[in-house]
Amino acid sequence: DAGVTQSPTHLIKTRGQQVTLRCSPISGHKSVSWYQQVLGQGPQFIFQYYEKEERGRGNFPDRFSARQFPNYSSELNVNALLLGDSALYLCASSLDRVAGTEAFFGQGTRLTVV
Amino acid sequence: GQNIDQPTEMTATEGAIVQINCTYQTSGFNGLFWYQQHAGEAPTFLSYNVLDGLEEKGRFSSFLSRSKGYSYLLLKELQMKDSASYLCAVRDYNDMRFGAGTRLTVKP
Repeated sequence: DAGVTQSPTHLIKTRGQQVTLRCSPISGHKSVSWYQQVLGQGPQFIFQYYEKEERGRGNFPDRFSARQFPNYSSELNVNALLLGDSALYLCASSLDRVAGTEAFFGQGTRLTVV
Repeated sequence: GQNIDQPTEMTATEGAIVQINCTYQTSGFNGLFWYQQHAGEAPTFLSYNVLDGLEEKGRFSSFLSRSKGYSYLLLKELQMKDSASYLCAVRDYNDMRFGAGTRLTVKP
């Protein structure tokens, strides 16, 4: 079975540009969460989507948005990129929203903003 | 405030036992997770605790005390491949909050 897949794996963008990151969850998983991980830090929660609806949002500006599609894949969009947005963006999928449900992470998209 | 604290770095010897502590203060609690993350790779799930006590899984064990806001991950019979960052995470209501991670170096 394929795990969580993210694309692209690496990306270089210029300040002010917009970027879209993609995530395909494990087959059968309905919940997708997005995290930002800066080097040397733990992942920071950005969004959770379940059954195509936003269920949780972390402390990130409105430049960050996301959506989930009928097939449960998801996109994270970041507008007006800043140098500080350079990070590893991780997508995690889980079977549902129930507490304790294990989250499986994709390999991440490494975004560099120059 | 909401904090998840764990030591930044630890070093241990191959074959030894190491305990990585985590203390947390969160507005909600729906379980505590430990993840392992090798450099440049995605975090992988190690353990989950929601009730007080010890959960054992092979060489890895995790303990939780909800009243103290405290957990630890115990790694036995350390191997060189255990050199990695270990992330403590607490599931709040809809999100999972991570600590900064503990970088463990296993030496021969």
